[in-house]
Amino acid sequence: EIVLTQSPGTLSLSPGERATLSCRASQSFSSSYLAWYQQKPGQAPRLLIYGASSRATGIPDRFSGSGSGTDFTLTISRLEPEDFAVYYCQQYGDSPYTFGQGTKLEIK
Amino acid sequence: QITLKESGPTLVKPTQTLTLTCTFSGFSLSTSGVGVGWIRQPPGKALEWLALVYWDDDKRYSPSLKSSLTITKDTSKNQVVLTMTNMDPVDTATYYCARLITMVRGVRFKFLDYWGQGTLVTVSS
Repeated sequence: EIVLTQSPGTLSLSPGERATLSCRASQSFSSSYLAWYQQKPGQAPRLLIYGASSRATGIPDRFSGSGSGTDFTLTISRLEPEDFAVYYCQQYGDSPYTFGQGTKLEIK
Repeated sequence: QITLKESGPTLVKPTQTLTLTCTFSGFSLSTSGVGVGWIRQPPGKALEWLALVYWDDDKRYSPSLKSSLTITKDTSKNQVVLTMTNMDPVDTATYYCARLITMVRGVRFKFLDYWGQGTLVTVSS
Protein backbone atom coordinates (compact mmCIF):
# COMPACT_ATOMS: atom_id res chain seq x y z
CA GLU A 1 0.00 0.00 0.00
CA ILE A 2 1.31 3.44 -0.93
CA VAL A 3 1.25 5.74 2.11
CA LEU A 4 0.96 9.46 1.42
CA THR A 5 2.33 11.81 4.08
CA GLN A 6 1.26 15.44 3.85
CA SER A 7 3.12 18.28 5.51
CA PRO A 8 2.68 20.44 7.34
CA GLY A 9 -0.39 19.26 9.18
CA THR A 10 -1.49 22.86 9.65
CA LEU A 11 -0.27 25.92 7.78
CA SER A 12 -1.06 29.38 9.14
CA LEU A 13 -0.75 32.16 6.58
CA SER A 14 -2.31 35.50 5.70
CA PRO A 15 -4.25 36.41 2.56
CA GLY A 16 -1.88 37.43 -0.19
CA GLU A 17 0.88 35.10 0.97
CA ARG A 18 2.17 32.05 -0.86
CA ALA A 19 1.29 28.55 0.36
CA THR A 20 3.36 25.46 -0.31
CA LEU A 21 1.90 22.08 0.62
CA SER A 22 3.82 18.84 0.40
CA CYS A 23 2.73 15.27 -0.32
CA ARG A 24 5.33 12.54 0.00
CA ALA A 25 4.73 8.94 -1.06
CA SER A 26 6.18 5.80 0.49
CA GLN A 27 7.02 4.50 -2.99
CA SER A 28 7.35 5.99 -6.41
CA PHE A 29 4.52 6.09 -8.94
CA SER A 30 3.62 7.89 -12.13
CA SER A 31 2.78 11.55 -11.68
CA SER A 32 -0.23 10.93 -13.95
CA TYR A 33 -1.87 9.36 -10.92
CA LEU A 34 -1.56 12.11 -8.33
CA ALA A 35 -4.49 14.41 -7.60
CA TRP A 36 -5.14 17.25 -5.17
CA TYR A 37 -8.50 18.12 -3.60
CA GLN A 38 -9.78 21.04 -1.54
CA GLN A 39 -12.40 20.54 1.14
CA LYS A 40 -14.26 23.23 3.02
CA PRO A 41 -16.30 22.54 6.18
CA GLY A 42 -19.57 20.76 5.47
CA GLN A 43 -18.74 20.33 1.79
CA ALA A 44 -17.60 17.50 -0.42
CA PRO A 45 -14.02 17.61 -1.68
CA ARG A 46 -13.39 19.50 -4.91
CA LEU A 47 -10.84 18.45 -7.51
CA LEU A 48 -8.07 21.02 -7.96
CA ILE A 49 -5.20 19.28 -9.73
CA TYR A 50 -4.84 15.98 -11.59
CA GLY A 51 -1.80 14.38 -13.15
CA ALA A 52 0.26 16.23 -10.51
CA SER A 53 0.21 19.48 -12.48
CA SER A 54 -2.97 19.84 -14.57
CA ARG A 55 -5.59 22.21 -13.22
CA ALA A 56 -9.16 20.96 -13.22
CA THR A 57 -11.84 22.89 -15.03
CA GLY A 58 -12.60 26.23 -13.42
CA ILE A 59 -9.66 26.19 -11.01
CA PRO A 60 -7.89 29.58 -10.79
CA ASP A 61 -4.33 29.76 -12.04
CA ARG A 62 -3.04 30.73 -8.60
CA PHE A 63 -3.23 26.98 -7.90
CA SER A 64 -0.38 24.93 -9.33
CA GLY A 65 0.97 21.45 -8.81
CA SER A 66 4.38 19.94 -9.39
CA GLY A 67 6.48 16.94 -8.57
CA SER A 68 7.27 13.42 -9.59
CA GLY A 69 8.29 10.07 -8.18
CA THR A 70 7.62 10.33 -4.46
CA ASP A 71 7.52 14.10 -3.89
CA PHE A 72 4.64 16.31 -4.94
CA THR A 73 3.76 19.91 -4.16
CA LEU A 74 0.66 22.06 -4.33
CA THR A 75 1.35 25.79 -4.47
CA ILE A 76 -1.13 28.60 -4.05
CA SER A 77 0.62 31.73 -5.30
CA ARG A 78 -1.43 34.42 -3.56
CA LEU A 79 -3.92 33.29 -0.98
CA GLU A 80 -7.49 34.50 -1.28
CA PRO A 81 -9.88 34.33 1.70
CA GLU A 82 -11.77 31.45 0.06
CA ASP A 83 -8.60 29.31 -0.15
CA PHE A 84 -8.51 28.58 3.58
CA ALA A 85 -9.58 24.96 3.75
CA VAL A 86 -8.20 21.44 4.07
CA TYR A 87 -6.21 20.01 1.17
CA TYR A 88 -5.76 16.32 0.37
CA CYS A 89 -3.55 14.51 -2.08
CA GLN A 90 -4.55 11.12 -3.50
CA GLN A 91 -2.67 8.54 -5.51
CA TYR A 92 -3.84 6.09 -8.15
CA GLY A 93 -0.46 4.53 -8.71
CA ASP A 94 -1.53 1.33 -7.03
CA SER A 95 -4.65 0.01 -5.35
CA PRO A 96 -5.71 0.87 -2.67
CA TYR A 97 -5.99 4.42 -3.96
CA THR A 98 -4.97 6.14 -0.77
CA PHE A 99 -5.38 9.71 0.42
CA GLY A 100 -2.96 11.73 2.49
CA GLN A 101 -4.04 12.79 5.96
CA GLY A 102 -4.63 16.37 4.84
CA THR A 103 -3.13 19.82 5.39
CA LYS A 104 -5.29 22.43 7.05
CA LEU A 105 -4.64 25.89 5.68
CA GLU A 106 -5.80 28.42 8.24
CA ILE A 107 -5.83 32.19 8.44
CA LYS A 108 -3.03 33.63 10.53
CA GLN B 1 -24.76 18.42 -16.03
CA ILE B 2 -23.12 15.71 -13.97
CA THR B 3 -24.52 14.93 -10.54
CA LEU B 4 -24.16 12.14 -8.01
CA LYS B 5 -26.23 11.59 -4.90
CA GLU B 6 -25.82 9.11 -2.08
CA SER B 7 -28.81 7.55 -0.35
CA GLY B 8 -29.31 5.06 2.42
CA PRO B 9 -29.97 4.83 6.15
CA THR B 10 -28.66 7.51 8.46
CA LEU B 11 -28.57 5.19 11.46
CA VAL B 12 -27.57 1.55 11.65
CA LYS B 13 -27.01 -0.73 14.60
CA PRO B 14 -23.73 -2.50 15.31
CA THR B 15 -23.35 -5.80 13.39
CA GLN B 16 -25.96 -4.73 10.82
CA THR B 17 -25.28 -4.44 7.10
CA LEU B 18 -25.18 -1.00 5.50
CA THR B 19 -26.42 -0.56 1.95
CA LEU B 20 -25.70 2.74 0.22
CA THR B 21 -26.82 3.70 -3.26
CA CYS B 22 -25.13 6.24 -5.49
CA THR B 23 -27.51 7.53 -8.16
CA PHE B 24 -25.87 9.57 -10.87
CA SER B 25 -26.78 11.47 -14.00
CA GLY B 26 -24.99 13.17 -16.85
CA PHE B 27 -22.69 10.26 -17.67
CA SER B 28 -22.86 6.53 -18.27
CA LEU B 29 -20.96 3.84 -16.44
CA SER B 30 -20.83 1.88 -19.68
CA THR B 31 -18.52 4.51 -21.18
CA SER B 32 -14.92 3.35 -21.49
CA GLY B 33 -12.63 4.97 -18.96
CA VAL B 34 -15.27 5.83 -16.39
CA GLY B 35 -15.67 4.53 -12.86
CA VAL B 36 -17.50 5.30 -9.64
CA GLY B 37 -15.85 5.14 -6.26
CA TRP B 38 -16.83 5.34 -2.61
CA ILE B 39 -14.92 7.36 -0.03
CA ARG B 40 -15.74 7.97 3.61
CA GLN B 41 -14.77 10.55 6.22
CA PRO B 42 -15.25 10.06 9.96
CA PRO B 43 -16.21 13.28 11.75
CA GLY B 44 -13.20 15.57 11.96
CA LYS B 45 -10.90 13.08 10.24
CA ALA B 46 -9.33 12.48 6.86
CA LEU B 47 -10.77 10.97 3.71
CA GLU B 48 -10.56 7.20 3.38
CA TRP B 49 -10.86 5.44 0.02
CA LEU B 50 -13.15 2.39 0.16
CA ALA B 51 -13.96 0.88 -3.21
CA LEU B 52 -14.21 1.50 -6.93
CA VAL B 53 -15.98 -0.08 -9.89
CA TYR B 54 -14.86 0.56 -13.45
CA TRP B 55 -16.95 0.66 -16.63
CA ASP B 56 -15.83 -2.90 -17.47
CA ASP B 57 -16.93 -4.16 -14.02
CA ASP B 58 -13.37 -4.38 -12.72
CA LYS B 59 -13.50 -3.72 -8.98
CA ARG B 60 -11.02 -2.52 -6.38
CA TYR B 61 -11.37 -2.57 -2.60
CA SER B 62 -9.54 -1.22 0.40
CA PRO B 63 -7.62 -4.25 1.72
CA SER B 64 -8.43 -3.39 5.32
CA LEU B 65 -12.17 -3.55 4.59
CA LYS B 66 -12.25 -5.95 1.66
CA SER B 67 -13.89 -8.76 3.60
CA SER B 68 -16.84 -6.54 4.50
CA LEU B 69 -17.33 -4.53 1.28
CA THR B 70 -19.15 -5.26 -1.95
CA ILE B 71 -19.56 -2.79 -4.79
CA THR B 72 -21.91 -3.38 -7.70
CA LYS B 73 -23.15 -1.33 -10.62
CA ASP B 74 -26.48 -1.19 -12.43
CA THR B 75 -25.75 0.61 -15.66
CA SER B 76 -29.40 0.69 -16.74
CA LYS B 77 -30.40 2.50 -13.55
CA ASN B 78 -27.29 4.70 -13.37
CA GLN B 79 -26.59 3.41 -9.88
CA VAL B 80 -23.70 2.02 -7.90
CA VAL B 81 -24.39 0.19 -4.65
CA LEU B 82 -21.98 -0.30 -1.77
CA THR B 83 -22.71 -2.81 0.96
CA MET B 84 -20.72 -3.02 4.16
CA THR B 85 -21.33 -5.87 6.57
CA ASN B 86 -20.83 -6.08 10.32
CA MET B 87 -21.00 -2.35 10.93
CA ASP B 88 -19.23 -0.96 13.99
CA PRO B 89 -19.36 2.45 15.70
CA VAL B 90 -15.94 3.23 14.19
CA ASP B 91 -17.65 3.11 10.78
CA THR B 92 -19.60 6.26 11.66
CA ALA B 93 -18.73 8.65 8.85
CA THR B 94 -19.92 10.71 5.92
CA TYR B 95 -19.93 8.45 2.88
CA TYR B 96 -19.29 9.98 -0.54
CA CYS B 97 -19.53 8.58 -4.03
CA ALA B 98 -17.60 10.19 -6.87
CA ARG B 99 -16.96 9.74 -10.60
CA LEU B 100 -13.57 8.48 -11.68
CA ILE B 101 -12.01 9.52 -14.97
CA THR B 102 -9.09 7.53 -16.39
CA MET B 103 -8.29 9.40 -19.57
CA VAL B 104 -8.25 12.98 -20.78
CA ARG B 105 -7.80 13.70 -24.49
CA GLY B 106 -6.15 10.33 -25.01
CA VAL B 107 -3.75 10.69 -22.07
CA ARG B 108 -4.03 8.35 -19.09
CA PHE B 109 -4.84 9.88 -15.73
CA LYS B 110 -7.01 8.89 -12.80
CA PHE B 111 -8.93 11.28 -10.62
CA LEU B 112 -12.31 11.89 -9.04
CA ASP B 113 -13.84 14.88 -10.75
CA TYR B 114 -17.45 14.96 -9.52
CA TRP B 115 -18.55 14.15 -6.00
CA GLY B 116 -21.89 13.64 -4.32
CA GLN B 117 -22.83 15.77 -1.33
CA GLY B 118 -22.22 12.86 1.04
CA THR B 119 -24.46 11.10 3.51
CA LEU B 120 -23.75 10.81 7.23
CA VAL B 121 -24.13 7.30 8.59
CA THR B 122 -24.12 6.81 12.34
CA VAL B 123 -23.54 3.39 13.86
CA SER B 124 -25.08 3.14 17.28
CA SER B 125 -27.30 0.86 19.27
